[in-house]
Amino acid sequence: GIQVEQSPPDLILQEGANSTLRCNFSDSVNNLQWFHQNPWGQLINLFYIPSGTKQNGRLSATTVATERYSLLYISSSQTTDSGVYFCAVRRSGTYKYIFGTGTRLKVLA
Amino acid sequence: SQTIHQWPATLVQPVGSPLSLECTVEGTSNPNLYWYRQAAGRGLQLLFYSVGIGQISSEVPQNLSASRPQDRQFILSSKKLLLSDSGFYLCATEWYNEQFFGPGTRLTVL
Repeated sequence: GIQVEQSPPDLILQEGANSTLRCNFSDSVNNLQWFHQNPWGQLINLFYIPSGTKQNGRLSATTVATERYSLLYISSSQTTDSGVYFCAVRRSGTYKYIFGTGTRLKVLA
Repeated sequence: SQTIHQWPATLVQPVGSPLSLECTVEGTSNPNLYWYRQAAGRGLQLLFYSVGIGQISSEVPQNLSASRPQDRQFILSSKKLLLSDSGFYLCATEWYNEQFFGPGTRLTVL
């Protein structure tokens, strides 16, 4: 089946720093999403981005489907950005989503 | 917009006891529904998904089962819980190609 790898696995930042999280996938997909899991466990949708670039405030994402990777950029990080970031992909013709192992981010005040 | 309800929020059960977790969705009709489990400090594992009433696809063979008795109701069950069933159980729906998650149920099996 399709493999989804995220890097780095762990990241510690000082408040105000920028970061880039990466998601690599092993096969072509028609659906890719980024989620933030907050310390209380709630999964929050960040981006639906099967291709191209999107921005939402301090966050932006880029997916290069032909090269099978996606990047999530966090600028001017805040302590509330702490948590685990997951990417999830789905292949065409299936209903099944495959999640990456996540990047655990801690932002220090 | 849609809302996903899950209950209970937390549950502590002895080994060998039965389990029933419920998920209901508001604000949409005929949704695709999903059950995931997340072990402590780990990623999400897809357990079941459903594309319609009575239609269940199982992704991982185990002692859990799922049912969809109504369009917007998805139930996760077990006849006898194992210690390894402990985890965070999340229900999700899909709307315009995006997955949205409920608040989850934390299950501890002792």
